[in-house]
Amino acid sequence: AQSVTQPDIHITVSEGASLELRCNYSYGATPYLFWYVQSPGQGLQLLLKYFSGDTLVQGIKGFEAEFKRSQSSFNLRKPSVHWSDAAEYFCAVAPMEYGNKLVFGAGTILRVKS
Amino acid sequence: DGGITQSPKYLFRKEGQNVTLSCEQNLNHDAMYWYRQDPGQGLRLIYYSQIVNDFQKGDIAEGYSVSREKKESFPLTVTSAQKNPTAFYLCASRARATSGANVLTFGAGSRLTVL
Repeated sequence: AQSVTQPDIHITVSEGASLELRCNYSYGATPYLFWYVQSPGQGLQLLLKYFSGDTLVQGIKGFEAEFKRSQSSFNLRKPSVHWSDAAEYFCAVAPMEYGNKLVFGAGTILRVKS
Repeated sequence: DGGITQSPKYLFRKEGQNVTLSCEQNLNHDAMYWYRQDPGQGLRLIYYSQIVNDFQKGDIAEGYSVSREKKESFPLTVTSAQKNPTAFYLCASRARATSGANVLTFGAGSRLTVL
């Protein structure tokens, strides 16, 4: 069965510093890949997605992610973090041939120091 | 604006009571989903529905029930058989159920606390 691993439960960065959140997946073929963000007590908002083509995808709020097939990874990055980026971030995958079973990672909580 | 409305935002329940969480969407999406979120566990799929009058169990369906009588509505009932119902519940929808390329749109969630 496919699985998604986010190795970091919590990450703390200083405002203005760069950010990388890790995501690894286990699946036999390249799935669709997503990053979502969740503010406390709220629903999830899509940051970006990868379906095919260019392995570096741009999203909202200045985020980007790079798909690396050889490493089965889809890491999220941001060059300069703002205090408003503090939230929980979820990586998710969906198989291409049958899209119902979107599988989420456990999430990474980002704290931003001022 | 189109979106998903979940109600109530907060709900308290005594042990042994059934409760129903509402989920309404005006996006004209075919598929709807219920997820449960617990700290450190990500989102786990409870039930999903690809079309009106049809639904399937997800990974943790025991103790839950759903109905899909209308395209825009997908209520979730947390029954007394659910051993540990305290959690944050998220409803989501997608335009077409059979393509992983469709993006899930989420509601703001309902927090259920069992007293």
